[in-house]
Parts: sequence; C-alpha cells; structure tokens
Amino acid sequence: DQQVKQNSPSLSVQEGRISILNCDYTNSMFDYFLWYKKYPAEGPTFLISISSIKDKNEDGRFTVFLNKSAKHLSLHIVPSQPGDSAVYFCAAEGGKLIFGQGTELSVKP
Amino acid sequence: DADVTQTPRNRITKTGKRIMLECSQTKGHDRMYWYRQDPGLGLRLIYYSFDVKDINKGEISDGYSVSRQAQAKFSLSLESAIPNQTALYFCATSSFEGLGYTFGSGTRLTVV
Repeated sequence: DQQVKQNSPSLSVQEGRISILNCDYTNSMFDYFLWYKKYPAEGPTFLISISSIKDKNEDGRFTVFLNKSAKHLSLHIVPSQPGDSAVYFCAAEGGKLIFGQGTELSVKP
Repeated sequence: DADVTQTPRNRITKTGKRIMLECSQTKGHDRMYWYRQDPGLGLRLIYYSFDVKDINKGEISDGYSVSRQAQAKFSLSLESAIPNQTALYFCATSSFEGLGYTFGSGTRLTVV
C-alpha cells in the first residue's frame, strides 16, 4: 500500500513561471516531510523539508506547503529555471524515509 | 571524495548469479539504507541498519540480503539474481535523527 503518492508522473512549465508539484500521504503519524531532487546518473539530493507542526517553509525560490487535514503537501518553485528540470521525490519520515513515485519536471526556455 | 560511494556503478549479470553491491560512507553516520528505483514506482526501501548490530527489512526485502561490516560499510547481495531485479540501486546514510539523508550515485544493475 503506497503511503506516499505523487500522482503526476510529469510536469512541463515555461521558464519564469511557477511550478507546483503535489504529494499526498496516508499516515497521519509522519513527523517530517521532505522533497528531494534527482538528476540523471546522480543520487537524490535534499531540497527542502517541513515539520508536521508547520504549514509552510520557504527557502529562496522553493516553498513547501503542508495541509494536514487533507494529508497533502506541495512544492512551489518560483520562478522556474531550466536548471530545475529534474525528477522530484516527495518523502515522509516515520522512522525511515518513505518516498513517492516521483514527478519529472521539465522547465522550457 | 564522495560522502557515499557505491560500487560498481554499472553491472550486467546473468539470471541465477550471486552479486554483491557495496556501499561505504565517510559521513560518520550510524544509519544506512538500501533503496531501489524503478520507473513509476519511485524509491522503495529494501533494507536498513541503524547501527552495526542492527539490520531491518524494508518493504521489498525478498530476494535480497545485507551485511553491515562496519559503521561505514553496508553491502547488498542478490543471492540468485532474477530479471525483475533489474533496477537502479541507491545506498544512503543519515544522522541519528533520521533526517538529512545523503545518497550515493547509484548502481545500475541489469539481470539478463
């Protein structure tokens, strides 16, 4: 049973516009939620996280929003840049990281 | 040098063969993990270890075994490889708190 779900396999956005990546989860006991970014031929790298006691965390162009009642989080990238093109994984921490399926973001010039 | 080193980077093996994937880390962390990545399925946890004497199964441990030889070393074995174990394998390490995972660059394994 998939505890963390990313229902959009891919997303295409124009450079300079906003990218919104979505993630849903089923377990209300998760303590932290994280986003990882992965380029081809590399391992995932940490991007941003949010504690379950917060509803927003911002780091430069990246903002993560958490809606606990809906068990939903989203990653906003503003403005999007071509270098942001990568696969983005949502993950939840509950003793160990549980990952979603990933969303491939393509930012077009 | 990379914080987490995986060897080999690429491997092609035949069905039924035993193969070992190795991982070493220089972060000084106690926790280590093995994940596999498949298209459309994301990263799934195979095994994890919270210290040298601790080994735990993840969600897809069948067909795999692990060995934690030292704090810095965690190897994954496929005792008898099968084609559906063809995937990208990642090793990771984290601090005691469990956050801040650092991943290796991955091993691309093909079983023919």
